[in-house]
Amino acid sequence: AQSVTQPDIHITVSEGASLELRCNYSYGATPYLFWYVQSPGQGLQLLLKYFSGDTLVQGIKGFEAEFKRSQSSFNLRKPSVHWSDAAEYFCAVGAHSGGYQKVTFGTGTKLQVIP
Amino acid sequence: NAGVTQTPKFRILKIGQSMTLQCTQDMNHNYMYWYRQDPGMGLKLIYYSVGAGITDKGEVPNGYNVSRSTTEDFPLRLELAAPSQTSVYFCASKHRGSGNTIYFGEGSWLTVV
Repeated sequence: AQSVTQPDIHITVSEGASLELRCNYSYGATPYLFWYVQSPGQGLQLLLKYFSGDTLVQGIKGFEAEFKRSQSSFNLRKPSVHWSDAAEYFCAVGAHSGGYQKVTFGTGTKLQVIP
Repeated sequence: NAGVTQTPKFRILKIGQSMTLQCTQDMNHNYMYWYRQDPGMGLKLIYYSVGAGITDKGEVPNGYNVSRSTTEDFPLRLELAAPSQTSVYFCASKHRGSGNTIYFGEGSWLTVV
């Protein structure tokens, strides 16, 4: 069974600083990997996803993520954080399990942006 | 552009009461899901459906029931509400096909007192 670990529960960065959110997954084959963002009181919105091809994936709002098979990681990055990026971020791994496509979410990383 | 629509947005239930969370999607998606989100726990899958008439249990199905009579609708039923079911519930859907994006509703905040 697949699993996802987001080791940082809470991260604080200054506006304009760079950001990296960590995500490690466990799965026997090549997984499908996602990053979702959740603003307070809202549902989850897809930032980006990887399932083949270039291991550096560009997403919305200036985010990117790099799939590193050797490290079983899919870290999310942004070169310059804006105050509106304050939200909770979820990494997810998708795979086939028992004949259906199962998506497992990490426990989330809450991002705080300070002026 | 409705997407995935959930109702109600907020509800307070008394222990032992029953209720149904409604979910409908207008994207003709095959797959539909119900998740619950608890602080620090991420999202846990309650039930899912791969098409009309087909449902199956996820990770945490106890205390819940679902049905999928149409492609569009996937209601979640709580029969005897318990305080442990206080949570935020998300309905989601996606097209069949690996790697396809899951689209989420805006959530339903449920408190059982």
